[in-house]
Amino acid sequence: GENVEQHPSTLSVQEGDSAVIKCTYSDSASNYFPWYKQELGKRPQLIIDIRSNVGEKKDQRIAVTLNKTAKHFSLHITETQPEDSAVYFCAAHISGSARQLTFGSGTQLTVLP
Amino acid sequence: DAGVTQSPTHLIKTRGQQVTLRCSPKSGHDTVSWYQQALGQGPQFIFQYYEEEERQRGNFPDRFSGHQFPNYSSELNVNALLLGDSALYLCASTLYRGPGTDTQYFGPGTRLTVL
Repeated sequence: GENVEQHPSTLSVQEGDSAVIKCTYSDSASNYFPWYKQELGKRPQLIIDIRSNVGEKKDQRIAVTLNKTAKHFSLHITETQPEDSAVYFCAAHISGSARQLTFGSGTQLTVLP
Repeated sequence: DAGVTQSPTHLIKTRGQQVTLRCSPKSGHDTVSWYQQALGQGPQFIFQYYEEEERQRGNFPDRFSGHQFPNYSSELNVNALLLGDSALYLCASTLYRGPGTDTQYFGPGTRLTVL
């Protein structure tokens, strides 16, 4: 089955700096890669996703890149703010099938004021 | 537009007991997935329901079972509870109509504590 590895497990940045979180996946059939943000005690919320027919997607301060050949994808947050502090999860999925989302182990991002 | 809802919010049980968790999908969604999230870990897939049938199952024992009702709501049942079943149980819903329509939306979760 699919295996998703996520790094780093913790990340501290100064407010205004950029943060990068990286994930690798094992199943080359995976073609949908969402990123979720989970604040303490709250539900995971989708912040951005990318499908395998594109290499990069951007939404304001958040961007995701995908390298299908290397089977890795990354989340980039620019101009970080204290409210960006949360746990971020990457996931992989085979679109068009009944298969589940396979999640990474999460990254605790702390933005220091 | 109602989002995914779950009940109860918190639950405390003792080993050996049975528990039922409930989920109502986002309005218009017909597919429900259940995930277990242990503390400090990513969600782990339990199973998925569509058209009132279990469509796929993760690596969880038969103690974990579920049901989907005609209104698309779903239940997760866990029998013979173990201490290791303590976790946040998340429900996610989607309306799959082909590639590009499979985004999953999560509910707030049920925090289960087994003593």
